[in-house]
Amino acid sequence: QVQLQESGPGLVKPSQTLSLTCTVSGGSTRSGSYYWTWIRQPAGKGLEWIGRMYTSGTINYNPSLESRVTISVDTSKNQFSLNVTSVTAADTAVYYCARGARNSLYAMDVWGQGTTVTVSS
Amino acid sequence: EIVLTQSPGTLSLSPGERATLSCRASQSISSDFVSWYQQKPGRAPRLLIYAASSRATGIPDRFSGSGSETDFTLTISRLEPEDFAVYYCQQYGSSQITFGQGTRLEIK
Repeated sequence: QVQLQESGPGLVKPSQTLSLTCTVSGGSTRSGSYYWTWIRQPAGKGLEWIGRMYTSGTINYNPSLESRVTISVDTSKNQFSLNVTSVTAADTAVYYCARGARNSLYAMDVWGQGTTVTVSS
Repeated sequence: EIVLTQSPGTLSLSPGERATLSCRASQSISSDFVSWYQQKPGRAPRLLIYAASSRATGIPDRFSGSGSETDFTLTISRLEPEDFAVYYCQQYGSSQITFGQGTRLEIK
């Protein structure tokens, strides 16, 4: 059974870079049947898609975040990562990693439990 | 960007009743790429429906989805106590993925 687990600092200072990693267990980031994606959710609010990366290398980002966001995949470690630069308090949220699967027509069928990131000095 | 608008914002019903949740898109989208998620407090979202009407693995058959073009619906035929949660629709057919703002289903 595939599981995803987010990891990274829970507190980031304003103007710095937020870096998170999602470790995939029970499955492979090498498979061409999936994409790997990040979503965030500020407290009490809805879901905001950040971006996704296919194993082929194709990457899509939310236009509202594109200038500050980088997603990458490290198949040797079976992980994928998120970097958000120049963070502000508005980037405070629970960050989820998830998988989009071909056999569910690329809906997000597996999610990590989420990790809370607070931007504060 | 395709905007998804969910209604109602909050739905108050009793266990055993039928719930109908709506999701309207700002432009026509392929039903192949519309999904619904359930989220309970403190938990990650869970995929319920993909391709507008296909139930994800392990989802009870009281959950069903329908719709096309700009109007999509999630129906819960007979509410169980564990169904009270927030529900999000999502489209992922374009290079951009968007979510609706959510419908909160609460116990009346």
